[in-house]
This record gives sequence, C-alpha cells and structure tokens, in this order.
Amino acid sequence: DTEVTQTPKHLVMGMTNKKSLKCEQHMGHRAMYWYKQKAKKPPELMFVYSYEKLSINESVPSRFSPECPNSSLLNLHLHALQPEDSALYLCASSQELAGSPNTQYFGPGTRLTVL
Amino acid sequence: SQELEQSPQSLIVQEGKNLTINCTSSKTLYGLYWYKQKYGEGLIFLMMLQKGGEEKSHEKITAKLDEKKQQSSLHITASQPSHAGIYLCGAYTGNQFYFGTGTSLTVIP
Repeated sequence: DTEVTQTPKHLVMGMTNKKSLKCEQHMGHRAMYWYKQKAKKPPELMFVYSYEKLSINESVPSRFSPECPNSSLLNLHLHALQPEDSALYLCASSQELAGSPNTQYFGPGTRLTVL
Repeated sequence: SQELEQSPQSLIVQEGKNLTINCTSSKTLYGLYWYKQKYGEGLIFLMMLQKGGEEKSHEKITAKLDEKKQQSSLHITASQPSHAGIYLCGAYTGNQFYFGTGTSLTVIP
C-alpha cells in the first residue's frame, strides 16, 4: 500500500480565516513533505519533516505553519493568507530523508482558494 | 541547485502513436524519478532509475538513464488517452528534491 491521504480535497478561505490541511500515511515512512503547486508549474518544496522534526524550510512565509504530531500525520496550518497563496498543496512521504532510492509517494492534494 | 529541463514542453499525439519525453540535467544524476500527474491531482510514481544505462519498463512506458547519467528519456509505445497528463522528472540534490519543468501530453482519440 502506497497511499497518502489528504483532507480536505478543496478549501475556500478568506484572508482573515484560520484553517488547516491534513496529511496522513500508514506506510511507516519517516520523512514527510509539503509542496505548493501553481497552475502549469512543477511542485515547489515548502517543508520537510524527518522523524517528526522539521528538517527543511524553504523560506516559506510564517503564515504557513507546519506541524508533525506523530510519524503518520502532517498538518499545515494556514493563517492570514493572501490570494496569491491559492494553489494545489501536495503532501508526500518517503521511507527516509536521505539514502537512495528514496521514492516519494504523493497524496491527491488540496486545492486551496483564498478570497 | 539541480536543474532539470524537460522537452518538449507539450506534446499532442494521435492515439496509437509512439512518443518520447526527455529530461536533461545540469549535473550528474544519482537517481532519476518519473511521475505522472493528471490536472489538479496528485503525482503518481512511475519508475526510478539509478544506474547509468539502466532501462525500466512498466506496461507501455519505458524509461532510460543514459550512461553519463545526465539525461533520461521516457518512451510511450502505442499511446492511449489514458496516457494523457503531465509528466515530471525529478531528482535529489542532497536531501532536497527538484522537479523538471514538466511535459504536458495530450492524446487524441
């Protein structure tokens, strides 16, 4: 089983709202990732967690706040977003952060619209 | 950072035709991953190549990594509408993963 689940599938929020995106995997993977994808562009890495600790933060604005409560769950808390933050947010997981091969398995994504 | 250039940027083919997508790296590749994405959906892992000269196949899709490990090609034989989507190559530089520029494939029935 290589399934990564994400909820919600779609989210519409105002600029003053607070919302969270959720990602879950039960493959025993110890690395989890958040990506942002704008239309017609490849995904861009936002955050990486390894063994529940933040390993990589790609200079993402503080209005995005990641959280890894346990090895199976990854959240992305959203607050005071801007319309330009509207995008597809993808979660992925892999066995480890380092080592080869290190295939990332992706969830279906959350389509976020900020009004 | 790793730079992965894909060509062509987009491709429109008639059903049944063969096609090739290329992924060229500015650096030596130590692992090259191919993914497929339907519009607005998640990425589906296709295959991973590690060794120079390696070739892998899955159903009608074949991927190769050249001997110098700086270019990979993805070949689809007898394309079908189900092959339509965006194909992305990707590779690690250290612990960070970078995607190629993407190739959009349309298959006309």
